[in-house]
Amino acid sequence: DAKTTQPTSMDCAEGRAANLPCNHSTISGNEYVYWYRQIHSQGPQYIIHGLKNNETNEMASLIITEDRKSSTLILPHATLRDTAVYYCIVRVASSGDLTNFGNEKLTFGTGTRLTIIP
Amino acid sequence: GAGVSQSPRYKVAKRGQDVALRCDPISGHVSLFWYQQALGQGPEFLTYFQNEAQLDKSGLPSDRFFAERPEGSVSTLKIQRTQQEDSAVYLCASSLGARVRYTFGSGTRLTVV
Repeated sequence: DAKTTQPTSMDCAEGRAANLPCNHSTISGNEYVYWYRQIHSQGPQYIIHGLKNNETNEMASLIITEDRKSSTLILPHATLRDTAVYYCIVRVASSGDLTNFGNEKLTFGTGTRLTIIP
Repeated sequence: GAGVSQSPRYKVAKRGQDVALRCDPISGHVSLFWYQQALGQGPEFLTYFQNEAQLDKSGLPSDRFFAERPEGSVSTLKIQRTQQEDSAVYLCASSLGARVRYTFGSGTRLTVV
């Protein structure tokens, strides 16, 4: 799986958009960008993933550059509950066939510690 | 249950003691993973099961670490003769099938004194 680079820490004011960058310059054509976050004393939680098109769900938006070498996770209206460590991970995604197993493990880096300031 | 359940939530062990950590994955989830997370670090992969088969144990740090999932559901991570460097949070995750999103438990915090 391709290596990712993230800033160690970021602050964001409550109510503002939090934009978390991730560089993945060695990403392969069949690799997706995944984001997980880990709130203190909890396990990591899936947020969103995408291949090349921008994605949005109820938690966040994911913007992937056209060359796919970097991406940004956007939390549109950050709240204090969004304070967490955010992990950007690149890996091959499911083909849709849940029985087509391959390299299943996720490789986490050290992530970005996001602090929401009241 | 609705999520991945891990027990105990906290464990204090004396150095040299054996410990067993339990993971109850989401019902029907084929894949099960164990991760180790040291303070201030990201989770590090330990081992992976597909049903009852342990397909990858490349992350187990020594032969003191052993994991099993005999019936393809509940899994146990056993650490023999615990050492201080084993102090960490041990996370379990499960997923429905191949390379789909994981659901993590809240972990077991192991402290070896």
